[in-house]
Amino acid sequence: SQLAEENSWALSVHEGESVTVNCSYKTSITALQWYRQKSGKGPAQLILIRSNEREKRNGRLRATLDTSSQSSSLSITATRCEDTAVYFCATDEGSGGSNYKLTFGKGTLLTVTP
Amino acid sequence: DAGVTQTPRHEVAEKGQTIILKCEPVSGHNDLFWYRQTKIQGLELLSYFRSKSLMEDGGAFKDRFKAEMLNSSFSTLKIQPTEPKDSAVYLCASSSRGAGQLYFGEGSKLTVL
Repeated sequence: SQLAEENSWALSVHEGESVTVNCSYKTSITALQWYRQKSGKGPAQLILIRSNEREKRNGRLRATLDTSSQSSSLSITATRCEDTAVYFCATDEGSGGSNYKLTFGKGTLLTVTP
Repeated sequence: DAGVTQTPRHEVAEKGQTIILKCEPVSGHNDLFWYRQTKIQGLELLSYFRSKSLMEDGGAFKDRFKAEMLNSSFSTLKIQPTEPKDSAVYLCASSSRGAGQLYFGEGSKLTVL
């Protein structure tokens, strides 16, 4: 079963608008990551937020983490057509020590139209 | 710095054939991962190496999938024999120990007829 999953299969916005992608997870984590995958490319990390952090920013991106509800969100402001991609959340099942690995959600397809 | 390099980018195989996918991780990275990506299942972990030692071999993928790390800068994923259900994108990723972030290659798209 999926440990981490995004809450929407697909979202569509117009360029310039803001959008939020949500993610829920089932196990306790040390960190949660957001990745973006553009067509024909591999996923690329956007933000890593640790369990003792509540918010992290990276330019137009803002990630939040709520460990009590086991949920995270990624917000993108002033969207651009090049933000069109699949967005994944990923959680670590290990401690970062001897058996570190990530479990990915199935992704949310974000389409930004002109 | 060079990123993760995967070859070939596209592979077409007949059912029953053996195919080998290749991966060169980012120089200096200790961890290497192989994932399979499909629209239905998403990203599934196939294998995980730490400092060339196999840490996880993906359970359900054991019988026909074999990943090897011959040295710290090269890994292969062999699928033998291939079946049509193996059609997917195979992604290789690497990371530094404890760093968290995975660096992915662009993937090898496999089509099995």
